[in-house]
Amino acid sequence: EIVMTQSPLALPVTPGEPASISCRSSQSLLHGNGNDYLDWYLQRPGQPPQLLIYLGSYRASGVPDRFSGSGSGTNFSLKISRVEAEDVGVYYCMQALQTPLTFGGGTKVEIK
Amino acid sequence: QVQLVQSGAEVKKPGASVKVSCKASGYTFSTDYLHWVRQAPGLGLEWMGMINPSDGGTSYAQNFHGRVTMTRDTSTSTVYMELSSLRSEDTAVYYCARDPSGGEEFYFDFWGQGTLVTVSS
Repeated sequence: EIVMTQSPLALPVTPGEPASISCRSSQSLLHGNGNDYLDWYLQRPGQPPQLLIYLGSYRASGVPDRFSGSGSGTNFSLKISRVEAEDVGVYYCMQALQTPLTFGGGTKVEIK
Repeated sequence: QVQLVQSGAEVKKPGASVKVSCKASGYTFSTDYLHWVRQAPGLGLEWMGMINPSDGGTSYAQNFHGRVTMTRDTSTSTVYMELSSLRSEDTAVYYCARDPSGGEEFYFDFWGQGTLVTVSS
């Protein structure tokens, strides 16, 4: 199975400042159709996860444009251009290339 | 609007089985795969498997092979996840999630509220 590794484990952020989370996969997530099969989710405290980014860089419906996904192959990142208080929670990347689908261990974003 | 409503919390003894339901509404039930993901207390997310509501076809994670069964009832737009031979490590919140990609690109745009299953003697 594909192993997903996220860093950092915890990320203290200042509102209004940018933030970035890294995700690496044990094998390439680049599909033959040219898309990277990598998704990002945010789980706020006490809530189910919500989809932020799919296929590496496509923002899900209703997701603010301060969130962006980038990367290809085995190295990916999620960037928040200006962090807001509502962005706190745990961020997960997930590989969608093959089953079993696997998640990274999560990055906890908290306000400084 | 799309909604996935799950059944309530369960407490089970080791060795027993649990069956969690997920009722879908607000979209055409047969068009989108439904997946099950679980989260042990304080830990990360673990994919369990998926079901195609159109034909009932399933795919399970090897970790649960032989212990998990996913079924659907098209008359009520409900999918079920049954986990047998429960052990304490199965204590977790179980989520259903909709995959609008047709079972190809695997992303989850709507999630159920979660069902806490506690396994304790």
